[in-house]
Amino acid sequence: NAGVTQTPKFRVLKTGQSMTLLCAQDMNHEYMYWYRQDPGMGLRLIHYSVGEGTTAKGEVPDGYNVSRLKKQNFLLGLESAAPSQTSVYFCATTGTSPLNEQFFGPGTRLTVL
Amino acid sequence: GQNIDQPTEMTATEGAIVQINCTYQTSGFNGLFWYQQHAGEAPTFLSYNVLDGLEEKGRFSSFLSRSKGYSYLLLKELQMKDSASYLCAVPDTDKLIFGTGTRLQVFP
Repeated sequence: NAGVTQTPKFRVLKTGQSMTLLCAQDMNHEYMYWYRQDPGMGLRLIHYSVGEGTTAKGEVPDGYNVSRLKKQNFLLGLESAAPSQTSVYFCATTGTSPLNEQFFGPGTRLTVL
Repeated sequence: GQNIDQPTEMTATEGAIVQINCTYQTSGFNGLFWYQQHAGEAPTFLSYNVLDGLEEKGRFSSFLSRSKGYSYLLLKELQMKDSASYLCAVPDTDKLIFGTGTRLQVFP
């Protein structure tokens, strides 16, 4: 079992370009989360999903969109990248309750020039 | 809303004991999580406390006082590999709110 995977691992974008980050899980988990992590800022929640077909905004949703068309995949999109979106992005999943431990993917390091 | 406070950095010596504190203010309490994150890696789960008191798991223990809004992570017999960031987090409806983390450096 792969657990939680993220694609790509690294990416460099120019300002204004778009891209999609993919999070895939084979754990049959309901809840999926996208975080960004910046030095000194900890993990900040961008968007999350409580099940297939649902999405909700987190703490820092501006400039990002998400989709959860299949239970196992959670996509994070940047329509027009900005330098302020340079960060490390983590996906996480948890089973049937947010009170279970979260399992994190390995992260995507994104640089926007 | 939720508010979480942790020290930014701590240092300790190999073989020693270190206590990492976390204070929180929540509108409703559903437990407190601790995660460990090594540099360049993803966070991994350490513990989840719901009831008051100390829970021990090998060299790591986690303490919770709900009345004081306070938790700590106790690391005994420190090893170099314990150098990492330690994040406390509290649930908020369908999600977790993370503190900014405490970076622990262990020196020989």
